[in-house]
Amino acid sequence: EVQLVQSGAEVKRAGESLRISCRGSAYDFSKYYISWLRQMPGKGLEWMGRVDPADSYSDTRPSLQGHFTISVDTSISTAYLQWSSLEASDTAIYFCARHLYYDAGNYFDYWGQGTLVTVSS
Amino acid sequence: EIVMTQSPATLSVSPGERATLSCRASQSISNTLAWYQQKPGQAPRLLIYATSTRASGIPARFSGSRSGTEFTLTINSLQSEDFAVYYCQQSNVWPYTFGQGTKLDIK
Repeated sequence: EVQLVQSGAEVKRAGESLRISCRGSAYDFSKYYISWLRQMPGKGLEWMGRVDPADSYSDTRPSLQGHFTISVDTSISTAYLQWSSLEASDTAIYFCARHLYYDAGNYFDYWGQGTLVTVSS
Repeated sequence: EIVMTQSPATLSVSPGERATLSCRASQSISNTLAWYQQKPGQAPRLLIYATSTRASGIPARFSGSRSGTEFTLTINSLQSEDFAVYYCQQSNVWPYTFGQGTKLDIK
């Protein structure tokens, strides 16, 4: 069974760094893009960026660019979302999701369970 | 970026009845639209992709359709487990964008 398992909840202070992870299993990790999405408290879903595990190329939503880094370690089937300096507005649930590419569209067919990140000011 | 507008924000329907949820794109997105279901405390689940293709394991009571830039998710014969929040998502134009969600609750 395909699974994406994310790291546990985090409580941080503004200005601190953080890396959360997403480990895939039961499929060829290198063959499917992984995206990160966030859901701020009581809000909807927002796509943040994606990474191609085959070559580690990543791209991010222009409006969010520069604030975080998406990376991957294919040897351990794990994708990462990393911040060097958190802000209170980063408080959210973060999901990783596997891409399903079909007929020129990209969809998210498997999701991690979510990682709650709480940042205090 | 493309704006996805879902309506209504909340839809109250009785079990056993039909629910019709709408999603409008601010410009043409071809058929690159998906629908997701999210229950409290859970990750979203892919229901429909490419406008009308049901994802693996999704019951036939869920169906999707399109008219121009207007997309519809129809849920026939609502079951208790269908009451949740539903999101549409486009991937025709980068960055991918979601609608703000429709909450389907029990009437």
